[in-house]
Amino acid sequence: TQLLEQSPQFLSIQEGENLTVYCNSSSVFSSLQWYRQEPGEGPVLLVTVVTGGEVKKLKRLTFQFGDARKDSSLHITAAQPGDTGLYLCAGLPGSARQLTFGSGTQLTVLP
Amino acid sequence: DTGVSQDPRHKITKRGQNVTFRCDPISEHNRLYWYRQTLGQGPEFLTYFQNEAQLEKSRLLSDRFSAERPKGSFSTLEIQRTEQGDSAMYLCASSLPFRLAGIYNEQFFGPGTRLTVL
Repeated sequence: TQLLEQSPQFLSIQEGENLTVYCNSSSVFSSLQWYRQEPGEGPVLLVTVVTGGEVKKLKRLTFQFGDARKDSSLHITAAQPGDTGLYLCAGLPGSARQLTFGSGTQLTVLP
Repeated sequence: DTGVSQDPRHKITKRGQNVTFRCDPISEHNRLYWYRQTLGQGPEFLTYFQNEAQLEKSRLLSDRFSAERPKGSFSTLEIQRTEQGDSAMYLCASSLPFRLAGIYNEQFFGPGTRLTVL
């Protein structure tokens, strides 16, 4: 059983469209991180959220942490081909030291 | 400012051979993690070091796997008698000491070592 469920698993959209990726769990997380990973490379940290209800913006990317700190979402506005990649959410459940990852959302933005 | 580095980036080996991977964390980071990632999945935790002490090991880390961090700086991950099921991306991450990391507790990943067992 995956502790963090990500949806959708695959997403293919046209350049300029908006999209939202979801990360859900029944567990409470002390912090939750979003990473982007390109083929053959390691995950690159995009953002960390720690407070329930928190919203963070990174240019066209908006990250939200649920009020109960059990879920998160990533919204991309006006997607560009350069946004193509595997988006991973990861969290520290409770007092754990190691990250628990979702299975990822493979995003393809077509020009 | 260098990030986490891993060597080699790619390794192809025959079933039954031993392989060793190296990870150099960010210099001020005393915590180091190994993860394994298979195609289409998120990374899975293998083991965790704080300085030279190995504090946690996943049940995924069979007795054919061993990790060391002898001087609290770089770390090595060795797989003995490799099996085809060991084929994966092996990722290393590091993070600041707890007292400096605060509530963010972020982990920064290296580029990974892609292992292919034939």
